[in-house]
Amino acid sequence: SQQGEEDPQALSIQEGENATMNCSYKTSINNLQWYRQNSGRGLVHLILIRSNEREKHSGRLRVTLDTSKKSSSLLITASRAADTASYFCATVGQGGSEKLVFGKGTKLTVNP
Amino acid sequence: ETGVTQTPRHLVMGMTNKKSLKCEQHLGHNAMYWYKQSAKKPLELMFVYSLEERVENNSVPSRFSPECPNSSHLFLHLHTLQPEDSALYLCASSQDLEAGRDTQYFGPGTRLTVL
Repeated sequence: SQQGEEDPQALSIQEGENATMNCSYKTSINNLQWYRQNSGRGLVHLILIRSNEREKHSGRLRVTLDTSKKSSSLLITASRAADTASYFCATVGQGGSEKLVFGKGTKLTVNP
Repeated sequence: ETGVTQTPRHLVMGMTNKKSLKCEQHLGHNAMYWYKQSAKKPLELMFVYSLEERVENNSVPSRFSPECPNSSHLFLHLHTLQPEDSALYLCASSQDLEAGRDTQYFGPGTRLTVL
C-alpha cells in the first residue's frame, strides 16, 4: 500500500510556536501533497512537492521531502489559533495513477 | 470557498431509505470525485468521473450508486445503507484527471448518519 502515515496523530502548541508534522509512505511517488481540513469541512490544498524536489516554501509553510526515507515533513512557523485544523498528506504514485492516497492526518491545536 | 458545493450538509436516514447526495462545481472542471471519510480512517476514494464517464470504482458496494449527468454535477444515490456507512462524504473536482494528480478542490462534505 502507498498509504501515507502522519505523525504525530495529535499536536497541541501555543500561538507563536512552530508546528512540525511528519508523513511516511511506502512506495515510490510522483508527488506528495499536504491538505488542511477544518473541523467537519472539506480539504484545502496547501502545497505540493514533486519527487525530484527536496524543499518547498509557501508563506509560513515549509515542506521537505526525503525520498530515500520515504518521508516528508510540514513545518508551520509562527503558528496562529486559526491554524487549528487537521493536516493530511496525500501521495500520488508513479505509473500514471490518478489516485491521491491519504494518510489519517495530524490534528493540530494552536492555543491562544 | 473552493467553488465546490455539496447538499445537503447533514443527512440522517434509516437503513431502508433512499436518498441522494449532490455535488456541484463552478470551476469548469472536467473530473469529479467522491471520497468517504470515516472516523479514525484515511480518506477513501470511492468513484472518479472524467467528462461524465466513470473511470474508477474503488470496490464500492452497490448500495452506493454514482451519477454524473454533466461535468458540473455529481450525485451519489444511496439505498439500504448500513450504520457503518455513516461518514463524511466529500466531493472533489479537478481540471482534468492529469491535473487531479496535483490538486483537487474539495467541497465541504455531507455528514451522513445511518440509523
